[in-house]
Amino acid sequence: DQQVKQNSPSLSVQEGRISILNCDYTNSMFDYFLWYKKYPAEGPTFLISISSIKDKNEDGRFTVFLNKSAKHLSLHIVPSQPGDSAVYFCAASAQSSSSNTGKLIFGQGTTLQVKP
Amino acid sequence: DAGITQSPRHKVTETGTPVTLRCHQTENHRYMYWYRQDPGHGLRLIHYSYGVKDTDKGEVSDGYSVSRSKTEDFLLTLESATSSQTSVYFCAISEVYGELFFGEGSRLTVL
Repeated sequence: DQQVKQNSPSLSVQEGRISILNCDYTNSMFDYFLWYKKYPAEGPTFLISISSIKDKNEDGRFTVFLNKSAKHLSLHIVPSQPGDSAVYFCAASAQSSSSNTGKLIFGQGTTLQVKP
Repeated sequence: DAGITQSPRHKVTETGTPVTLRCHQTENHRYMYWYRQDPGHGLRLIHYSYGVKDTDKGEVSDGYSVSRSKTEDFLLTLESATSSQTSVYFCAISEVYGELFFGEGSRLTVL
């Protein structure tokens, strides 16, 4: 029972173009969403987040969009750079839940390759 | 970078042997987590702790136990390792309502 799904295992884009990574979730209790980036042999690092009270959050080249009715979020990277090549994980939590302990549920990850 | 240290970073062991992975933090964060990363599965929560001596199960807790006797240390134990537990294990810490900070991972191979 995968509550957070990233259906595209991999994505390849040209340097300078837009990268769009997608994520779907099933649990309507989720109200906080995050994206993490992971390089080989390193731990995941936080990239950007969004609360369910918003539908967009922007940080430099990175923008996360949230569509609550579709239970879908996406990460846009513009312009893409070769250094963005990594595995990207989306994650979700139910922060307003009375049993919230901060734990995140992750998707399977999408490997992004940005070609020079 | 958040002060999280995992040890050992690499371990090869045989089926049936006990294994303990250690996570040490210097941030005094309340919450600590153990995840495993496997191809096609992403990061899956094994166990987590919300305080000293307070722990709970995650998505894939079978075959694992944890202990937290001090704020800074969170131990993950495989009582009798199996080949299905070959994985990369990540420790993470957080204060609630924020992002998790991850360690660099411990690669475990069970032969």
